[in-house]
Amino acid sequence: DTAVSQTPKYLVTQMGNDKSIKCEQNLGHDTMYWYKQDSKKFLKIMFSYNNKELIINETVPNRFSPKSPDKAHLNLHINSLELGDSAVYFCASSHRPLAGEGNIQYFGAGTRLSVL
Amino acid sequence: GESVGLHLPTLSVQEGDNSIINCAYSNSASDYFIWYKQESGKGPQFIIDIRSNMDKRQGQRVTVLLNKTVKHLSLQIAATQPGDSAVYFCAGVYNQGGKLIFGQGTELSVKP
Repeated sequence: DTAVSQTPKYLVTQMGNDKSIKCEQNLGHDTMYWYKQDSKKFLKIMFSYNNKELIINETVPNRFSPKSPDKAHLNLHINSLELGDSAVYFCASSHRPLAGEGNIQYFGAGTRLSVL
Repeated sequence: GESVGLHLPTLSVQEGDNSIINCAYSNSASDYFIWYKQESGKGPQFIIDIRSNMDKRQGQRVTVLLNKTVKHLSLQIAATQPGDSAVYFCAGVYNQGGKLIFGQGTELSVKP
């Protein structure tokens, strides 16, 4: 069974559209994250949630809205998509909210978003 | 500011040789460092970690070395295999914020 699963794996859409990416983890973790990986493979955190509560909110346009219906799910909704949103988006989870020893983050396989 | 960077974007090694991937970090204090491996089409996968009060940690075929004096860490892979081909990231955790700060990544290619 996949520990952290994201859907869809690929998403191709037009500028201006609204889209969602879903993430689910079956590891029993309390904390989930969204990361963005650009074309140069640079990986940067966007959001983290702990038990459905927002913990980290980096400088992300408010067109991006995460939603956590329960601690096993963290979805990412993006409004009015722009060309610069094209990237690979990774979901991750960990036991606790603060990164550190004994609190490894487990990543999903990624969603490759292409905005045309 | 906080940053974690890598010296080389690509590294090519012969199968069976040892690989060394380097990473530098900035002046800000870090408590903890992690190495992740990302294979093509997959998400980053944890390899090994090291606390800032250690200078060496060994795993299975991998060793991480930390030199706090020059703010440098390295990942050594012994007897590199084709399955080791991937992008390797170092990441640091800083004592404020509890976030993982990732470096740019080094792409390791293993030649048969």
